[in-house]
Amino acid sequence: EAQVTQNPRYLITVTGKKLTVTCSQNMNHEYMSWYRQDPGLGLRQIYYSMNVEVTDKGDVPEGYKVSRKEKRNFPLILESPSPNQTSLYFCASREGETDGYTFGSGTRLTVV
Amino acid sequence: GENVEQHPSTLSVQEGDSAVIKCTYSDSASNYFPWYKQELGKRPQLIIDIRSNVGEKKDQRIAVTLNKTAKHFSLHITETQPEDSAVYFCAASRGGSYIPTFGRGTSLIVHP
Repeated sequence: EAQVTQNPRYLITVTGKKLTVTCSQNMNHEYMSWYRQDPGLGLRQIYYSMNVEVTDKGDVPEGYKVSRKEKRNFPLILESPSPNQTSLYFCASREGETDGYTFGSGTRLTVV
Repeated sequence: GENVEQHPSTLSVQEGDSAVIKCTYSDSASNYFPWYKQELGKRPQLIIDIRSNVGEKKDQRIAVTLNKTAKHFSLHITETQPEDSAVYFCAASRGGSYIPTFGRGTSLIVHP
């Protein structure tokens, strides 16, 4: 089944404790992105990648890192999480420049 | 950069009525306009899309129209059903290194 898999689904952590949210797609898509979703603000892009080793900042990149060492994986790293990073995170992939996204199931992160 | 405005933010209709959600965009070079549906607690899912060389596209009870001159596009849902209740997001993109820009979402409530 074609899908984007992200883990974990739920995560509660403390301020400053490094964490990684994993994302993997099995569709051989070149384009992958991370979004955060907050009430009233819609979907805001954090980082995106157009291919292996090619990444760029989105609208809200502060406090996040990404890497794209393999085509299928695109992990999101929070080096020192803070409470304002409490949010619902989605990983997404798409086949081409003008194609729709397939989203992962989401990761609800709480930073206390 | 691209700016996408989506209206209304909330739409309440009776079952069987039609619903229309409108989005405007600012970048005349945008050429791909997808719509996503996000049910409560779930991931956004692509429901229909339109490219700039087409004025209208229909899929059963949903349709999307595009007016390139006025730079707006709309989602039309006919004969609404309670299961249409969800948040709907529009987006606009132009390919290449440009990332898609999402509207802030419309919460559609269909009353039985």
